[in-house]
Amino acid sequence: DQQVKQNSPSLSVQEGRISILNCDYTNSMFDYFLWYKKYPAEGPTFLISISSIKDKNEDGRFTVFLNKSAKHLSLHIVPSQPGDSAVYFCAASPINGGATNKLIFGTGTLLAVQP
Amino acid sequence: DAGITQSPRHKVTETGTPVTLRCHQTENHRYMYWYRQDPGHGLRLIHYSYGVKDTDKGEVSDGYSVSRSKTEDFLLTLESATSSQTSVYFCATLGNSGNTEAFFGQGTRLTVV
Repeated sequence: DQQVKQNSPSLSVQEGRISILNCDYTNSMFDYFLWYKKYPAEGPTFLISISSIKDKNEDGRFTVFLNKSAKHLSLHIVPSQPGDSAVYFCAASPINGGATNKLIFGTGTLLAVQP
Repeated sequence: DAGITQSPRHKVTETGTPVTLRCHQTENHRYMYWYRQDPGHGLRLIHYSYGVKDTDKGEVSDGYSVSRSKTEDFLLTLESATSSQTSVYFCATLGNSGNTEAFFGQGTRLTVV
């Protein structure tokens, strides 16, 4: 059973416009959420994260929003650039303090930013 | 970036043979993970480790075993490779101080023929 879901396999956006990538989770024990970006033939790289005590975190062009009641988070990229074209993974981690610190990923969304 | 090295980077093996993938880190990170990436499935956790000799199963652990005899090395073994284990395998490490981002290796592309 997929605990972290990204229901849009792909997204195409014009350069300069906003890209919105969505992620849903089912496990209420998750309290830390991350977004990763992956180019072909490379490992995923960390982009931005958010703790469950916040509902928004911003870093330059990237903003992550968290709606705990809906178990939903989204990544906004403004303005989108061709170099943002990549696969984006959402990930979630359960409450810190446990021994495991398990990190669960979604299925990914392929973003294509058209020049 | 964390110093994470995966070896080999590419491997072709025959069905039924054992295969071991190695992940080596130089950051003294406590947590280490093995994931596989497949189209339509994203990154799925195979096994993870939360310390030397401390490991546990992830989402898709059947057919895989791991070992961590020292902090810097985390080995993934396919006991008897099958075609369904053809995939790209990623190792990741996580620092010691609470929630933070995990760092990934560059991946190992494994083909089982």
